[in-house]
Amino acid sequence: DQQVKQNSPSLSVQEGRISILNCDYTNSMFDYFLWYKKYPAEGPTFLISISSIKDKNEDGRFTVFLNKSAKHLSLHIVPSQPGDSAVYFCAASENDYKLSFGAGTTVTVRA
Amino acid sequence: DAGVIQSPRHEVTEMGQEVTLRCKPISGHDYLFWYRQTMMRGLELLIYFNNNVPIDDSGMPEDRFSAKMPNASFSTLKIQPSEPRDSAVYFCASSDGQGSHGYTFGSGTRLTVV
Repeated sequence: DQQVKQNSPSLSVQEGRISILNCDYTNSMFDYFLWYKKYPAEGPTFLISISSIKDKNEDGRFTVFLNKSAKHLSLHIVPSQPGDSAVYFCAASENDYKLSFGAGTTVTVRA
Repeated sequence: DAGVIQSPRHEVTEMGQEVTLRCKPISGHDYLFWYRQTMMRGLELLIYFNNNVPIDDSGMPEDRFSAKMPNASFSTLKIQPSEPRDSAVYFCASSDGQGSHGYTFGSGTRLTVV
């Protein structure tokens, strides 16, 4: 049973606009959340994270929002750029050692 | 550091054959993870090691799968006998167990069982 769910398999957005990726989780013991980015033929790479004691973390064009009561987090990319076209994985952990991943969302940024 | 190194990058094998995937973690990382990526389930954790000791293998699909870590710089994931439903991309990742950046992944092995 998947504890981390990304219900949108794909997202298409115009260059310069905002991309919003969503993630839901079921395990209330998760205390750390991460987003990974994956290009074809490469492994996932860390993008941004957030602790459960926060509700927002920002790093440049990337912002992650956490709503613990709804067990929901989202990743905002603004403005979206062609290089952002990739698969994005949401992940969560109860500690730093074991991550549970979602199925991924493929983002396509149109010129 | 060259990062997490996996071999081979691609593997095509016939059903029933034994397959061995290899991984060299980042030096100094004492956690090693094996994941499998499929379209339906995304990244699934198969097994992870701490200091070369298997800690959690609850994600290993069945007895056909086995993993070893004989030393801190090498791990293998073996499938015997292989089946077409094992076709997927297998990732190895390592971590120092500290900090907020999760793991460093290798480039993966794309396994095709025909």
